Amino acid sequence: QVQLVESGGGVVQPGGSLRLSCAASGFTFSSYGMHWVRQAPGKGLEWVAFIRYDGSNKYYADSVKGRFTISRDNSKNTLYLQMNSLRAEDTAVYYCAKDFSAMVRGVIIRGYFDYWGQGTLVTVSS
Amino acid sequence: EIVLTQSPATLSLSPGERATLSCRASQSVSSYLAWYQQKPGQAPRLLIYDASNRATGIPARFSGSGSGTDFTLTISSLEPEDFAVYYCQQRSNWPRGYTFGQGTKLEIK
Repeated sequence: QVQLVESGGGVVQPGGSLRLSCAASGFTFSSYGMHWVRQAPGKGLEWVAFIRYDGSNKYYADSVKGRFTISRDNSKNTLYLQMNSLRAEDTAVYYCAKDFSAMVRGVIIRGYFDYWGQGTLVTVSS
Repeated sequence: EIVLTQSPATLSLSPGERATLSCRASQSVSSYLAWYQQKPGQAPRLLIYDASNRATGIPARFSGSGSGTDFTLTISSLEPEDFAVYYCQQRSNWPRGYTFGQGTKLEIK
């Protein structure tokens, strides 16, 4: 069965850095794009970043562009999120999520999130 | 950026009743819309993709409809486990960006 396990969260001061990891199993990791999605305490969901299956292209929300970097190591079945210049508003549970991929009536559908990890909490506070 | 607005913010119903949740987009997203269920302390679960297709393992009481800017998630007869927060999400700008609605809390009356 598909499993995604995040790690690396914790408390960091404003302006600090943190690297999150997401260990994947139960599917062919190197065949799927992967996302990071976050959820501030008591708030809704916000997409953060996406990386294609081979790492060739990466996309970011405007709120994190230039500060966060998504990457992957397909040999280790692991997804990463390097977070620099952290701000209080980055405080959230960070989820990694697998990009949904299905063929429906001859068309490949992508861009949804079909499996999620349990999340890791990042708190930015002095 | 496409904004998704969900209504109502909170819906109070009893088990066995029918639930109708709405999601409106600020511009057309075609049929590129999904619905998720999130229970307290858990990650979201994909229910519906491309407006009306149930994800694997999702019960038939969940259905989605709509296209363009107006979408609906219907739960035909509420089970106790259906009380949760529901989010809509659009992917019309794949792979460059995705947005979620603010959520509808479905609570027991």
